[in-house]
Amino acid sequence: EDKVVQSPLSLVVHEGDTVTLNCSYEVTNFRSLLWYKQEKKAPTFLFMLTSSGIEKKSGRLSSILDKKELFSILNITATQTGDSAIYLCAVEARGKLIFGQGTELSVKP
Amino acid sequence: GAGVSQSPSNKVTEKGKDVELRCDPISGHTALYWYRQSLGQGLEFLIYFQGNSAPDKSGLPSDRFSAERTGGSVSTLTIQRTQQEDSAVYLCASSLAKGARNTIYFGEGSWLTVV
Repeated sequence: EDKVVQSPLSLVVHEGDTVTLNCSYEVTNFRSLLWYKQEKKAPTFLFMLTSSGIEKKSGRLSSILDKKELFSILNITATQTGDSAIYLCAVEARGKLIFGQGTELSVKP
Repeated sequence: GAGVSQSPSNKVTEKGKDVELRCDPISGHTALYWYRQSLGQGLEFLIYFQGNSAPDKSGLPSDRFSAERTGGSVSTLTIQRTQQEDSAVYLCASSLAKGARNTIYFGEGSWLTVV
């Protein structure tokens, strides 16, 4: 059975902290791994990763994929209150998106 | 059911035909969302139902798209006169929409191919 597991499920930090969110997966016919940020209704696309070891970076956010160990991490440095959201990891396989449950990040001032 | 259920999982249709995609949310979840994702793209919000409130249809790309939710549970997304650009994965999600967490749970999607 396909499985995408995110950890931790929730996290509370203070502004300026660095956080690492984890996503592990077990799927058949892996195609890509995607990260989303969900603040209200529509998750916002962050990264799509297809190759191992190549870091994707956007501002204070970065992500990397390890296809051997079947996991990905999302790093956020110098966190801000605006980073508070649910972060979703999804794996694309066999024409479907399999999502993890999300990590709820709360950044306190 | 235990999770959000969508059907069909795959649908190939001819251009110009109408299609209906069904979503059965998690029991007790008052919020239901439809998203669309084309390959390599992020999730595109389509429509949002919350309880008995009027749905937020702001994401529907054209008047060929409509959705309804009967009895506050099952939802149907209808695409009329399908076009090739409608080919995508259509994702349904539901959430409790109360409390601080408000995690959304997605179904596995309906993969639509318009030929």
